[in-house]
Amino acid sequence: GAVVSQHPSWVICKSGTSVKIECRSLDFQATTMFWYRQFPKQSLMLMATSNEGSKATYEQGVEKDKFLINHASLTLSTLTVTSAHPEDSSFYICSARTGATLTNYGYTFGSGTRLTVV
Amino acid sequence: KQEVTQIPAALSVPEGENLVLNCSFTDSAIYNLQWFRQDPGKGLTSLLLIQSSQREQTSGRLNASLDKSSGRSTLYIAASQPGDSATYLCAVRGRAAGNKLTFGGGTRVLVKP
Repeated sequence: GAVVSQHPSWVICKSGTSVKIECRSLDFQATTMFWYRQFPKQSLMLMATSNEGSKATYEQGVEKDKFLINHASLTLSTLTVTSAHPEDSSFYICSARTGATLTNYGYTFGSGTRLTVV
Repeated sequence: KQEVTQIPAALSVPEGENLVLNCSFTDSAIYNLQWFRQDPGKGLTSLLLIQSSQREQTSGRLNASLDKSSGRSTLYIAASQPGDSATYLCAVRGRAAGNKLTFGGGTRVLVKP
């Protein structure tokens, strides 16, 4: 089945530095990927939709200059948390849509990245 | 705006009992509904995907039903095992939201040996 690989699985960084998270579709092409953030014991919050070859679409309230998304190829999307602060500490998960048809597709998720900013 | 609710928020059962997890959504204009499992500190694993034209999907001990008109889906897990302990999330892809998923808050399940 479709596999989405997310790397790293965890990262600790100092306040003020930037961190890049990668999301790869391993055996399929993903023109659209999604980035979510999850706080402890809460559900997923969609941050942005990443489109191959074009600018990402951000959800209301998400700072595009803070969370830079690049989707330069059909198999790779990256999320860069710039000038990270402790409040950016969270669990970040990416996903890609999978399925043969334009309407009946589902989603496959990466394994997530635990970001801790100290 | 689509809203997805999962009840109960947490559930604890002895091993061997059947699990019944509920998911309700407010807008019945959906493409499909997907059930996921999430283990602590991990990503989401897709369990079942039900298209809007389907009434149910089955995979092994898992069975998910969909009643689109009433805005409900139920995930049944037969003969629960301690390894079934996890958080279960349902997500709806609504026609109004395009390709975005709307998630419920999840049900945390604990199966006691």
